[in-house]
Amino acid sequence: DAKTTQPNSMESNEEEPVHLPCNHSTISGTDYIHWYRQLPSQGPEYVIHGLTSNVNNRMASLAIAEDRKSSTLILHRATLRDAAVYYCILGSGYALNFGKGTSLLVTP
Amino acid sequence: KAGVTQTPRYLIKTRGQQVTLSCSPISGHRSVSWYQQTPGQGLQFLFEYFSETQRNKGNFPGRFSGRQFSNSRSEMNVSTLELGDSALYLCASSAVDSPLHFGNGTRLTVT
Repeated sequence: DAKTTQPNSMESNEEEPVHLPCNHSTISGTDYIHWYRQLPSQGPEYVIHGLTSNVNNRMASLAIAEDRKSSTLILHRATLRDAAVYYCILGSGYALNFGKGTSLLVTP
Repeated sequence: KAGVTQTPRYLIKTRGQQVTLSCSPISGHRSVSWYQQTPGQGLQFLFEYFSETQRNKGNFPGRFSGRQFSNSRSEMNVSTLELGDSALYLCASSAVDSPLHFGNGTRLTVT
Protein backbone atom coordinates (compact mmCIF):
# COMPACT_ATOMS: atom_id res chain seq x y z
CA ASP A 1 0.00 0.00 0.00
CA ALA A 2 1.19 3.48 -0.81
CA LYS A 3 1.92 5.45 2.34
CA THR A 4 1.34 9.05 3.30
CA THR A 5 3.40 11.34 5.48
CA GLN A 6 1.76 14.10 7.49
CA PRO A 7 3.02 16.34 10.28
CA ASN A 8 1.96 15.12 13.70
CA SER A 9 0.42 18.43 14.67
CA MET A 10 -0.25 21.94 13.44
CA GLU A 11 -1.63 25.06 15.01
CA SER A 12 -3.69 27.84 13.52
CA ASN A 13 -5.42 30.99 14.63
CA GLU A 14 -9.15 31.24 14.28
CA GLU A 15 -10.41 32.80 11.03
CA GLU A 16 -7.07 32.31 9.30
CA PRO A 17 -6.45 29.88 6.42
CA VAL A 18 -4.87 26.54 7.21
CA HIS A 19 -2.75 24.49 4.81
CA LEU A 20 -2.38 20.86 5.83
CA PRO A 21 0.34 19.07 3.81
CA CYS A 22 0.54 15.42 2.83
CA ASN A 23 3.37 13.64 1.03
CA HIS A 24 2.68 10.49 -0.95
CA SER A 25 5.66 9.84 -3.18
CA THR A 26 4.71 6.21 -3.95
CA ILE A 27 1.16 6.97 -5.07
CA SER A 28 -0.10 4.82 -7.93
CA GLY A 29 -1.92 6.12 -10.96
CA THR A 30 -5.29 4.83 -9.77
CA ASP A 31 -5.06 6.01 -6.16
CA TYR A 32 -7.47 8.71 -5.15
CA ILE A 33 -6.37 11.13 -2.42
CA HIS A 34 -8.94 11.23 0.37
CA TRP A 35 -9.12 13.52 3.36
CA TYR A 36 -11.14 12.71 6.45
CA ARG A 37 -11.17 14.37 9.82
CA GLN A 38 -12.06 13.10 13.25
CA LEU A 39 -13.44 15.35 15.94
CA PRO A 40 -13.09 14.27 19.57
CA SER A 41 -15.39 11.41 20.54
CA GLN A 42 -16.72 11.00 17.02
CA GLY A 43 -16.11 8.77 14.02
CA PRO A 44 -14.16 10.15 11.07
CA GLU A 45 -15.95 12.55 8.75
CA TYR A 46 -15.37 12.85 5.00
CA VAL A 47 -13.83 16.15 3.93
CA ILE A 48 -12.81 15.94 0.28
CA HIS A 49 -11.14 13.72 -2.30
CA GLY A 50 -9.51 14.03 -5.72
CA LEU A 51 -7.48 12.23 -8.33
CA THR A 52 -5.50 14.71 -10.38
CA SER A 53 -7.19 18.11 -10.48
CA ASN A 54 -7.70 20.52 -7.63
CA VAL A 55 -11.07 20.13 -5.95
CA ASN A 56 -13.30 22.47 -3.99
CA ASN A 57 -16.34 21.84 -1.83
CA ARG A 58 -18.17 23.66 0.93
CA MET A 59 -15.77 22.40 3.57
CA ALA A 60 -12.34 22.76 1.99
CA SER A 61 -10.13 22.80 -1.08
CA LEU A 62 -7.69 20.13 -2.16
CA ALA A 63 -4.60 21.15 -4.08
CA ILE A 64 -2.80 18.28 -5.80
CA ALA A 65 0.75 18.63 -7.09
CA GLU A 66 1.25 18.08 -10.79
CA ASP A 67 3.33 14.93 -10.16
CA ARG A 68 0.73 13.81 -7.54
CA LYS A 69 3.45 13.11 -5.01
CA SER A 70 2.00 15.59 -2.56
CA SER A 71 -1.23 17.36 -1.79
CA THR A 72 -2.51 20.09 0.51
CA LEU A 73 -5.84 20.40 2.25
CA ILE A 74 -6.86 24.02 2.57
CA LEU A 75 -9.34 25.25 5.16
CA HIS A 76 -10.09 28.78 4.06
CA ARG A 77 -11.10 30.21 7.45
CA ALA A 78 -10.41 27.99 10.43
CA THR A 79 -12.97 27.92 13.20
CA LEU A 80 -12.76 26.35 16.64
CA ARG A 81 -14.97 23.55 15.33
CA ASP A 82 -12.25 22.62 12.82
CA ALA A 83 -9.98 21.38 15.63
CA ALA A 84 -9.62 17.70 14.80
CA VAL A 85 -7.26 15.03 13.53
CA TYR A 86 -6.99 15.24 9.74
CA TYR A 87 -6.17 12.10 7.80
CA CYS A 88 -4.74 11.99 4.29
CA ILE A 89 -5.40 8.58 2.76
CA LEU A 90 -4.67 6.96 -0.57
CA GLY A 91 -6.92 4.36 -2.11
CA SER A 92 -9.27 3.37 -4.83
CA GLY A 93 -11.82 1.38 -2.91
CA TYR A 94 -13.41 1.00 0.47
CA ALA A 95 -10.45 -0.48 2.36
CA LEU A 96 -8.79 2.78 3.31
CA ASN A 97 -5.68 2.67 5.46
CA PHE A 98 -5.67 5.63 7.82
CA GLY A 99 -2.32 6.75 9.21
CA LYS A 100 -1.84 8.78 12.37
CA GLY A 101 -2.99 12.02 10.77
CA THR A 102 -2.32 15.64 11.72
CA SER A 103 -3.80 17.00 14.91
CA LEU A 104 -4.97 20.54 14.20
CA LEU A 105 -5.22 22.95 17.08
CA VAL A 106 -7.19 26.15 16.47
CA THR A 107 -6.71 28.97 18.91
CA PRO A 108 -9.03 31.95 19.34
CA LYS B 1 -31.56 10.80 6.69
CA ALA B 2 -30.41 8.85 9.73
CA GLY B 3 -26.67 8.32 10.02
CA VAL B 4 -24.75 5.13 10.72
CA THR B 5 -25.85 3.64 14.03
CA GLN B 6 -23.60 1.44 16.11
CA THR B 7 -24.69 -0.48 19.18
CA PRO B 8 -23.81 -0.70 21.93
CA ARG B 9 -21.80 2.47 22.56
CA TYR B 10 -19.79 0.94 25.37
CA LEU B 11 -18.99 -2.63 26.28
CA ILE B 12 -16.89 -4.24 28.98
CA LYS B 13 -15.86 -7.86 28.58
CA THR B 14 -13.46 -10.28 30.23
CA ARG B 15 -10.53 -12.00 28.54
CA GLY B 16 -11.59 -15.18 26.81
CA GLN B 17 -15.16 -14.08 26.21
CA GLN B 18 -16.61 -13.24 22.83
CA VAL B 19 -18.44 -10.12 21.73
CA THR B 20 -20.78 -9.10 18.93
CA LEU B 21 -21.06 -5.51 17.72
CA SER B 22 -23.82 -4.21 15.51
CA CYS B 23 -23.94 -1.63 12.75
CA SER B 24 -26.95 -0.20 10.90
CA PRO B 25 -25.85 1.61 7.74
CA ILE B 26 -27.43 4.63 6.12
CA SER B 27 -30.52 3.63 4.18
CA GLY B 28 -29.57 2.62 0.63
CA HIS B 29 -25.91 2.01 1.41
CA ARG B 30 -24.87 -1.54 0.55
CA SER B 31 -21.22 -1.42 1.58
CA VAL B 32 -20.27 -1.68 5.24
CA SER B 33 -16.69 -1.49 6.50
CA TRP B 34 -15.29 -2.08 9.96
CA TYR B 35 -12.25 -0.40 11.51
CA GLN B 36 -10.38 -0.72 14.78
CA GLN B 37 -8.92 2.38 16.42
CA THR B 38 -6.31 2.22 19.17
CA PRO B 39 -3.93 4.90 20.46
CA GLY B 40 -0.90 2.91 19.37
CA GLN B 41 -1.94 1.65 15.93
CA GLY B 42 -4.38 4.32 14.85
CA LEU B 43 -7.29 3.44 12.58
CA GLN B 44 -6.91 0.03 10.97
CA PHE B 45 -9.15 -1.60 8.39
CA LEU B 46 -10.77 -4.87 9.47
CA PHE B 47 -13.07 -5.91 6.62
CA GLU B 48 -15.67 -4.71 4.16
CA TYR B 49 -18.95 -6.29 3.12
CA PHE B 50 -21.09 -5.63 0.08
CA SER B 51 -24.39 -7.39 -0.57
CA GLU B 52 -23.71 -9.96 2.16
CA THR B 53 -20.26 -10.87 0.76
CA GLN B 54 -16.92 -10.02 2.26
CA ARG B 55 -15.00 -8.15 -0.42
CA ASN B 56 -11.90 -7.00 1.44
CA LYS B 57 -10.14 -8.09 4.58
CA GLY B 58 -7.44 -6.42 6.61
CA ASN B 59 -4.56 -8.01 8.44
CA PHE B 60 -6.32 -9.26 11.57
CA PRO B 61 -6.45 -12.77 13.07
CA GLY B 62 -9.32 -15.13 12.42
CA ARG B 63 -10.81 -14.30 15.83
CA PHE B 64 -12.24 -11.24 14.11
CA SER B 65 -15.15 -12.04 11.84
CA GLY B 66 -18.17 -10.34 10.44
CA ARG B 67 -21.29 -10.77 8.43
CA GLN B 68 -23.83 -8.69 6.59
CA PHE B 69 -27.54 -9.32 6.37
CA SER B 70 -29.88 -8.86 3.42
CA ASN B 71 -30.98 -5.46 4.78
CA SER B 72 -27.27 -4.37 4.78
CA ARG B 73 -27.04 -4.34 8.56
CA SER B 74 -23.76 -5.79 9.70
CA GLU B 75 -22.30 -7.44 12.77
CA MET B 76 -18.74 -8.13 13.75
CA ASN B 77 -17.69 -10.75 16.22
CA VAL B 78 -14.50 -11.11 18.20
CA SER B 79 -13.92 -14.44 19.89
CA THR B 80 -11.53 -15.34 22.69
CA LEU B 81 -11.00 -11.72 23.64
CA GLU B 82 -7.54 -10.49 24.54
CA LEU B 83 -6.55 -7.37 26.45
CA GLY B 84 -5.14 -5.94 23.22
CA ASP B 85 -8.59 -6.04 21.64
CA SER B 86 -9.60 -3.07 23.76
CA ALA B 87 -10.33 -0.38 21.21
CA LEU B 88 -12.89 1.81 19.53
CA TYR B 89 -14.58 -0.18 16.77
CA LEU B 90 -15.93 1.95 13.96
CA CYS B 91 -18.35 1.02 11.25
CA ALA B 92 -18.71 2.93 7.99
CA SER B 93 -21.24 2.63 5.21
CA SER B 94 -21.14 3.92 1.68
CA ALA B 95 -23.00 3.91 -1.59
CA VAL B 96 -21.25 2.97 -4.82
CA ASP B 97 -18.36 5.35 -5.58
CA SER B 98 -19.17 7.61 -2.66
CA PRO B 99 -17.32 8.52 0.56
CA LEU B 100 -17.43 6.55 3.77
CA HIS B 101 -19.92 7.62 6.43
CA PHE B 102 -18.79 6.57 9.88
CA GLY B 103 -20.74 5.88 13.03
CA ASN B 104 -19.49 7.05 16.41
CA GLY B 105 -18.18 3.62 17.29
CA THR B 106 -18.41 1.04 20.04
CA ARG B 107 -15.86 1.39 22.81
CA LEU B 108 -14.80 -2.11 23.87
CA THR B 109 -12.84 -2.61 27.06
CA VAL B 110 -11.40 -6.04 27.81
CA THR B 111 -10.39 -6.71 31.41
